[in-house]
Amino acid sequence: QKEVEQDPGPLSVPEGAIVSLNCTYSNSAFQYFMWYRQYSRKGPELLMYTYSSGNKEDGRFTAQVDKSSKYISLFIRDSQPSDSATYLCAMSSWGKLQFGAGTQVVVTP
Amino acid sequence: GAVVSQHPSWVICKSGTSVKIECRSLDFQATTMFWYRQFPKQSLMLMATSNEGSKATYEQGVEKDKFLINHASLTLSTLTVTSAHPEDSSFYICSASPNSTVNYGYTFGSGTRLTVV
Repeated sequence: QKEVEQDPGPLSVPEGAIVSLNCTYSNSAFQYFMWYRQYSRKGPELLMYTYSSGNKEDGRFTAQVDKSSKYISLFIRDSQPSDSATYLCAMSSWGKLQFGAGTQVVVTP
Repeated sequence: GAVVSQHPSWVICKSGTSVKIECRSLDFQATTMFWYRQFPKQSLMLMATSNEGSKATYEQGVEKDKFLINHASLTLSTLTVTSAHPEDSSFYICSASPNSTVNYGYTFGSGTRLTVV
């Protein structure tokens, strides 16, 4: 079993819809939880990070962490075609990142 | 913000030759840098952790004699793929973080697409 599980998609949504992404994990030592966006043939770009459990909002993005369930989520409101990318969850324990497989998101006009 | 520069962005080489990839932190000092490999439609797989002034730490299954890592300064780490073969063709990405954000503030380079023919 992988330490971090993430549905690879693709996830297709119409423009303006809410995009809902999630990951589950098995290692209770993870303390920092991140979401990265990766466009094709580019390096990942940090979108959000959360420490321990709780919610964090930044513009159209909301990240949620539920450590008791070992489950994290990312919501993108009012999605735009420019949000089409692969979204990777990542988790950190002692500075070492563990990535999910990434979910490909396609926002159609 | 923290910026990581990676060069080249793509390279094609003949089988049996060596290729060097550079990763530089432009506006911060990085004691530690990380090297990843990513195959199409797959996630990033950590290859090794590069430590300034000391030997790199390689993940299980990564050949240290094939993937040579040098971290000669606080702003530069290099990955050399020696005697490259077609199965080494992949997308290689480095990352680094200022010490103050080492648990979450990783900045990634733009990646290097290596094609071995």
